[in-house]
Amino acid sequence: EVQLVESGGGLVQPGGSLRLSCAASGFTFSHYWMTWVRQAPGKGPEWVANIKHDGTDTYYVDSVRGRFTISRANAENSLFLEMSSLRVEDTAVYYCARDLIHGALQYWGQGTLVTVSS
Amino acid sequence: DIQMTQSPSSLAASVGDRVTISCRASQNIGSYLTWYQQKPGKAPKLLIYAASTLASGVPSRFSGSGSGTDFALTITSLQPEDFAVYYCQRSFDAPQTFGQGTKVEIK
Repeated sequence: EVQLVESGGGLVQPGGSLRLSCAASGFTFSHYWMTWVRQAPGKGPEWVANIKHDGTDTYYVDSVRGRFTISRANAENSLFLEMSSLRVEDTAVYYCARDLIHGALQYWGQGTLVTVSS
Repeated sequence: DIQMTQSPSSLAASVGDRVTISCRASQNIGSYLTWYQQKPGKAPKLLIYAASTLASGVPSRFSGSGSGTDFALTITSLQPEDFAVYYCQRSFDAPQTFGQGTKVEIK
């Protein structure tokens, strides 16, 4: 059974940093593109970033480029999102998701809440 | 960036109704269009990918159509468990933008 479990969310002040993790199991992690998607309270999902199966290519939405870094550790079946210079508008539930094909996201975690507030 | 616009934003329908949700891309995206269903407190669920391919385990009353800039999700014979919010997403090229969502409510 495919499982994705996010962790690392919490309350952080504006300008602060946070590192999210996603533990994957039930599939060969190193074979798949992985994605972070966030959803602000009461809003629709927003695609944040994705990373190629071998970590050699990464892509970001403009609003986080230069502040967020997506990475992965295939030996540990783990995906990460390093977030810095956090803003109030980064407040959201952050999901990690596994690609099926061409960016269609087949499996999702339960999400981890990041709250940016003073 | 390519924008994805869904219509309507919400609709009210009855069990057994046929429902169609539209999604328009601001530029040609070929068939790189994905549909999700989301229920409160849950992650989105993949329904349709590549514009018209049904994801594994999704009931056949769901179907997708379109290519280029205009797409549609159709639910034939709406069931009680289908009341949810539906999102389209431009896939493949970054940023893989989501539409703003269509809420399907009970009439």
